[in-house]
Amino acid sequence: EIVLTQSPGTLSLSPGERATLSCRASQSISNYLAWYQQKPGQAPRLLIYDASNRATGIPARFSGSGSGTDFTLTISSLEPEDFAVYYCQQRSTWPSITFGQGTRLEIK
Amino acid sequence: QVQLQESGPGLVKPSETLSLTCIVSGYSISSGYYWGWIRQPPGKGLEWIGSIHHSGSTYYNPSLKSRVTISVDTSKNQFSLKLSSVTAADTAVYYCAREQQLGENYYYYMDVWGRGTTVTVSS
Repeated sequence: EIVLTQSPGTLSLSPGERATLSCRASQSISNYLAWYQQKPGQAPRLLIYDASNRATGIPARFSGSGSGTDFTLTISSLEPEDFAVYYCQQRSTWPSITFGQGTRLEIK
Repeated sequence: QVQLQESGPGLVKPSETLSLTCIVSGYSISSGYYWGWIRQPPGKGLEWIGSIHHSGSTYYNPSLKSRVTISVDTSKNQFSLKLSSVTAADTAVYYCAREQQLGENYYYYMDVWGRGTTVTVSS
């Protein structure tokens, strides 16, 4: 099973700052990686697919990069509504899906 | 606009079978895609349970495979989850989601989610 490890566990930043979240896979997954945002009491929302493509309606301040085993989600300038938990997800070893353990982005 | 809505009992007794249904509106299941179930224990991360293709092909998380059955009813435009022999460890919010092919590689991603339903396992 491919394990996704996210870091840091918690990230404390202020609105307007840049956020960089990391996701590392235990083996190469090419670019079969997604990022989801989850706010309290809500379902996850797809932000990024294929490691770097923004999903429909996702603001341009969200960007994804990486391939192979190392991936990054960047939020260029944090808005108040961006403080949430972020998960990465892979399905490189079809059909199994695995998620990272999540990074909590909190207001400093 | 595609919408998914989970329904089912909020309380299940230990050793019994958890049964949930996901009703799909705004899109015909028989038109394609995969349809999946994901759960989230209180205060924890996301766990994929399994997926079903509109044709009926199923795929399950190996860690749950022996207890999980996912089925589809295209006439009612819904799909269902059964999880047998539940314990307190199965207490979670259960989500259903659509898995659509996106991007140049046509990989599947969960692009539409239900709001989730809380299931508690307790006597």
